[in-house]
Amino acid sequence: GIQVEQSPPDLILQEGANSTLRCNFSDSVNNLQWFHQNPWGQLINLFYIPSGTKQNGRLSATTVATERYSLLYISSSQTTDSGVYFCAVERRDSSYKLIFGSGTRLLVRP
Amino acid sequence: KAGVTQTPRYLIKTRGQQVTLSCSPISGHRSVSWYQQTPGQGLQFLFEYFSETQRNKGNFPGRFSGRQFSNSRSEMNVSTLELGDSALYLCASSTGQRQETQYFGPGTRLLVL
Repeated sequence: GIQVEQSPPDLILQEGANSTLRCNFSDSVNNLQWFHQNPWGQLINLFYIPSGTKQNGRLSATTVATERYSLLYISSSQTTDSGVYFCAVERRDSSYKLIFGSGTRLLVRP
Repeated sequence: KAGVTQTPRYLIKTRGQQVTLSCSPISGHRSVSWYQQTPGQGLQFLFEYFSETQRNKGNFPGRFSGRQFSNSRSEMNVSTLELGDSALYLCASSTGQRQETQYFGPGTRLLVL
């Protein structure tokens, strides 16, 4: 099956710093989403981005589908950005099933 | 629009019991997917329902089952609970078309003692 690898697994930042999270996937995909899991466990949608670049405030994401990777940029990080960030993909030939990476655990210190 | 709701939010059961979890999707969404999250295995797909039909199923034993009602609400059932079934169970809602964003509920935390 498709492999989804996220790096780094853990990241500690000082408030105000910038960071880049990476997601590599091993096969063509229909769908790629980035999520932030809050301390209570809920997955919050950040981006639906099977290709191209999107921005939402301090967050932006880029997916290069032909090279099978996606990047999530967090600028001017805040303590509320702490949590786990997941990348999830839906294989091109597989229906309605998201395959998740193992996540990047981010801690932003004040 | 209201988001995805899941009930109950927390549950404690003992081995051998069964449990039923409920998920109400976003109004107008016809697809509900279920995922299990554990520290060891991460987030894993259980199954997906669309218009009361299971369209896809993950690699879980038959003790895990689900169904969807005509109003798109979905339930999942786990019979003969094992300690390893302790997990956060998340459901996701979408319109059911390809290349669609999935929206997740707050989850149900199940502890099996």
